[in-house]
Amino acid sequence: NAGVTQTPKFQVLKTGQSMTLQCAQDMNHNSMYWYRQDPGMGLRLIYYSASEGTTDKGEVPNGYNVSRLNKREFSLRLESAAPSQTSVYFCASSEALLGSYNEQFFGPGTRLTVL
Amino acid sequence: DQQVKQNSPSLSVQEGRISILNCDYTNSMFDYFLWYKKYPAEGPTFLISISSIKDKNEDGRFTVFLNKSAKHLSLHIVPSQPGDSAVYFCAAPGSGNTGKLIFGQGTTLQVKP
Repeated sequence: NAGVTQTPKFQVLKTGQSMTLQCAQDMNHNSMYWYRQDPGMGLRLIYYSASEGTTDKGEVPNGYNVSRLNKREFSLRLESAAPSQTSVYFCASSEALLGSYNEQFFGPGTRLTVL
Repeated sequence: DQQVKQNSPSLSVQEGRISILNCDYTNSMFDYFLWYKKYPAEGPTFLISISSIKDKNEDGRFTVFLNKSAKHLSLHIVPSQPGDSAVYFCAAPGSGNTGKLIFGQGTTLQVKP
């Protein structure tokens, strides 16, 4: 049982380049999330998908797009990378059941540097 | 507007002593809270939660206390061990039935041998 997997683990981009971060979960969870972690800022939500076929903006969506490819996979795309997008990116998933604690399960992260 | 705040960026304690990590929130409608632990180069992992109908939840060496009137919760680790050295995040549920969480800034705990 792999849980939440993310690829790649590390990436270096030049300003203006594009890339897609991949995320997959094998827990049959309804909801998936993308966060970025920056020093002193905690985990900030970029986009989320409450269920297959839906996506919504989080706290810091500018410069990103997402695709919920199917129930398992949720990708994050940077169309034109900027140095301000240098960060560690985490994907997470949860069952998101009404009335539950909605514990989220996280992937190992992608460390992205934009030069 | 930071709805969940951890005002102490770091905390250092001696092995065997108590670690107390604090978290404040602004929204009195939050109905549960969670604590996550994060080691370097790994994703956060769930540690312990508490419902707003309780004022204490205990799991082994970890206890979370909730003071609703003060909109404050704290995580106590007793006794602290070097392996507890990590970043700790508190979190509260976001709006809607989407499973969203709002995270605090995190507190880096160092437990010295």
